[in-house]
Amino acid sequence: DSGVTQTPKHLITATGQRVTLRCSPRSGDLSVYWYQQSLDQGLQFLIQYYNGEERAKGNILERFSAQQFPDLHSELNLSSLELGDSALYFCASSPRALTNTGELFFGEGSRLTVL
Amino acid sequence: GQQLNQSPQSMFIQEGEDVSMNCTSSSIFNTWLWYKQDPGEGPVLLIALYKAGELTSNGRLTAQFGITRKDSFLNISASIPSDVGIYFCAGHNYGGSQGNLIFGKGTKLSVKP
Repeated sequence: DSGVTQTPKHLITATGQRVTLRCSPRSGDLSVYWYQQSLDQGLQFLIQYYNGEERAKGNILERFSAQQFPDLHSELNLSSLELGDSALYFCASSPRALTNTGELFFGEGSRLTVL
Repeated sequence: GQQLNQSPQSMFIQEGEDVSMNCTSSSIFNTWLWYKQDPGEGPVLLIALYKAGELTSNGRLTAQFGITRKDSFLNISASIPSDVGIYFCAGHNYGGSQGNLIFGKGTKLSVKP
């Protein structure tokens, strides 16, 4: 158990809909990262927050947005969903803004299926 | 942007066999890491390498940080069934833009039928 909690574990929805994925980082970790894992695509970095502020941005679509709240939990919002958004979405956390060791603690992921 | 080439994409193992996989990059990294993802789980860090040329072991796992800082390899000796999963290499640069960590596409280890 990494200490990172993600909900929901599974989500099935239709094209055009909007969903929210939630992440609670490990106790004491200030940084939260979101990754997308599609078949054959490895782990694609989406966005990072540190202590409530956006820190780094990757290949995140404009239809997607995220935020980190004062209690440090984070939400990833996916809107106008398309079939290609079906993927596993991982949240990871680390203690500092710039993880100077590269060690991230991953949650178990939220599997999104868009029909 | 930076990309990591990880090979092989997949491999089948028989219990007791040694396994090798590697990762190369067109640019240098300050840190190389190897993560493993079990089915239905998130990736977990196996080994981190911080210096060029460094060779580090973690039980049956051995990893090396290439001298050029552009590659790394992971060896698993005497494989066992629980070694099955996806292994990801990751390159890290302190202060990098992409959340500091770039992942390879993974090597999927399966058991030979």
